[in-house]
Amino acid sequence: DQQVKQNSPSLSVQEGRISILNCDYTNSMFDYFLWYKKYPAEGPTFLISISSIKDKNEDGRFTVFLNKSAKHLSLHIVPSQPGDSAVYFCAASAWNDKIIFGKGTRLHILP
Amino acid sequence: EPEVTQTPSHQVTQMGQEVILRCVPISNHLYFYWYRQILGQKVEFLVSFYNNEISEKSEIFDDQFSVERPDGSNFTLKIRSTKLEDSAMYFCASSEAAGRMNTEAFFGQGTRLTVV
Repeated sequence: DQQVKQNSPSLSVQEGRISILNCDYTNSMFDYFLWYKKYPAEGPTFLISISSIKDKNEDGRFTVFLNKSAKHLSLHIVPSQPGDSAVYFCAASAWNDKIIFGKGTRLHILP
Repeated sequence: EPEVTQTPSHQVTQMGQEVILRCVPISNHLYFYWYRQILGQKVEFLVSFYNNEISEKSEIFDDQFSVERPDGSNFTLKIRSTKLEDSAMYFCASSEAAGRMNTEAFFGQGTRLTVV
């Protein structure tokens, strides 16, 4: 029972272009969404979050969009850089509850 | 910058043995978590801990698992009798708060547990 789904296991994007990572969720009680980035042999590191009262949150090159009616969120990275190559986990939580992670999308930034 | 530290980085153990994974959360954090990631699969929630007791646990966290905060700084995960399927990366995390004050959890580097 996957409450947080990342349907693309991997994505390749040319350096300098936009990377768009998608995530769908099923639990309508989720009200806080997060993106984590993970390099090999390291723990996930927090990247950006969004509360359900917003539909967009921007932090430098990273923007997260939330479409509550579609239960969909996306992470946009622009411009993509070689150091962005990593696994990106979408995550969500409901009030006073644990974080639920998706399976991750491996992003490859091509030179 | 404060960070969550985990030891050891890699633990190899024989099936049926007990293992203890150690974590030092960030000092002013109040909520502590263990997650695990079996190779190639998603990061799975195991347990959360607040105010010296388990606040929530998943189906994975059965009687073979236990957590403890033996002193003011360490947070440990014990697996009483390891099984082959317990082989995974185990991540400890901590956060200042949870719920409406949702803050992100900070993760440690992980302990790779290999059960042979």
